[in-house]
Amino acid sequence: GQNIDQPTEMTATEGAIVQINCTYQTSGFNGLFWYQQHAGEAPTFLSYNVLDGLEEKGRFSSFLSRSKGYSYLLLKELQMKDSASYLCAVDDSNYQLIWGAGTKLIIKP
Amino acid sequence: GAVVSQHPSRVICKSGTSVKIECRSLDFQATTMFWYRQFPKKSLMLMATSNEGSKATYEQGVEKDKFLINHASLTLSTLTVTSAHPEDSSFYICSATIPDSYTEAFFGQGTRLTVV
Repeated sequence: GQNIDQPTEMTATEGAIVQINCTYQTSGFNGLFWYQQHAGEAPTFLSYNVLDGLEEKGRFSSFLSRSKGYSYLLLKELQMKDSASYLCAVDDSNYQLIWGAGTKLIIKP
Repeated sequence: GAVVSQHPSRVICKSGTSVKIECRSLDFQATTMFWYRQFPKKSLMLMATSNEGSKATYEQGVEKDKFLINHASLTLSTLTVTSAHPEDSSFYICSATIPDSYTEAFFGQGTRLTVV
């Protein structure tokens, strides 16, 4: 079956670094997405990985290992506004996204 | 990036009435749009895939007669919740993908439906 796992909740300190992991098992693979979702709002796109390796975009970086079915989102220099849910989603090559349950990130001063 | 507009953002309706939610792609033609439902503290749940000019494809467990989807043009898809009940109260989100592009999904703002 299709399965995406990520931690339910994480807590980090303002200014620190946090890594949110995502493991997946899907029938096909055409890329992995990370989205940020603030409470009551629609998700917003953060990153897309289709090849192995690290993609850096400002304070956010995303890593993919296709052989391990593993990705992580790395957030540096955490700010209070980074408190949100972070959703991992996989394109299963069937023109749809398979969603993880999301990781709620709590930032403390 | 591409813009998807969803309307209304918030609606309260009486039990037994129907509610229509619109999803528009403003600067691109979306041959495929997706409708999601999200319960509190839960992930997005795909309800149906809407293809322009053809019937929507519903996910298992989603009642097609209750959640009517119409994708009459390349820029507009509508979701109508018929005979709404309190258990239909939820956050509904649409998304669209750009044809021939990697499947980054552009999301509407979402609609908070409350049935009283």
